[in-house]
Amino acid sequence: AQSVAQPEDQVNVAEGNPLTVKCTYSVSGNPYLFWYVQYPNRGLQFLLKYITGDNLVKGSYGFEAEFNKSQTSFHLKKPSALVSDSALYFCAVRAFNSGGYQKVTFGTGTKLQVIP
Amino acid sequence: GAGVSQSPSNKVTEKGKDVELRCDPISGHTALYWYRQSLGQGLEFLIYFQGNSAPDKSGLPSDRFSAERTGGSVSTLTIQRTQQEDSAVYLCASSTNRGNTEAFFGQGTRLTVV
Repeated sequence: AQSVAQPEDQVNVAEGNPLTVKCTYSVSGNPYLFWYVQYPNRGLQFLLKYITGDNLVKGSYGFEAEFNKSQTSFHLKKPSALVSDSALYFCAVRAFNSGGYQKVTFGTGTKLQVIP
Repeated sequence: GAGVSQSPSNKVTEKGKDVELRCDPISGHTALYWYRQSLGQGLEFLIYFQGNSAPDKSGLPSDRFSAERTGGSVSTLTIQRTQQEDSAVYLCASSTNRGNTEAFFGQGTRLTVV
């Protein structure tokens, strides 16, 4: 069964500092990996995805994520955090399972708090 | 439609009543998911549809919860005999069947059981 782990419930970072939100996954076969963001009282929005190719993918709002196959990780990063980045971040994986269908599995979410 | 549409956006119901939540996915999206989110918390997977069939309904918390999808489009999530612990935001998402495409979420239905 596929799974996603976000080991930190909350990450605090000072404005202007680099931020990292961690994600590791477990799948059979090649994964498709995604990051979503949820601002307060809003729906989930797609940020970026890794499909194939370059391990560093760039997405919306200056975010990027690095795919590391050996460590089965897909950490979200941003060089300089903004207060407006404070939100709930979800990592997700999509892959074929034993039933022959693809299902998206989400992590439990990490609350990012950027401190002015 | 342009996006995933959920209705109602808010629902207040009395304990013991049945409720129906509706999700209208993006046209052509064969995959449809229901999640539940308590205030400020993570996503709790409920059920996954591929077309009209549900290959994974492992997340439905009890037999009071059921869901169906008709015509490969609209889905309804039904909660019978609602309890206070059912209060949450119910989110629907849809995607194509291609693995490299992201899922699109609706704005959710906020259910409050009083």
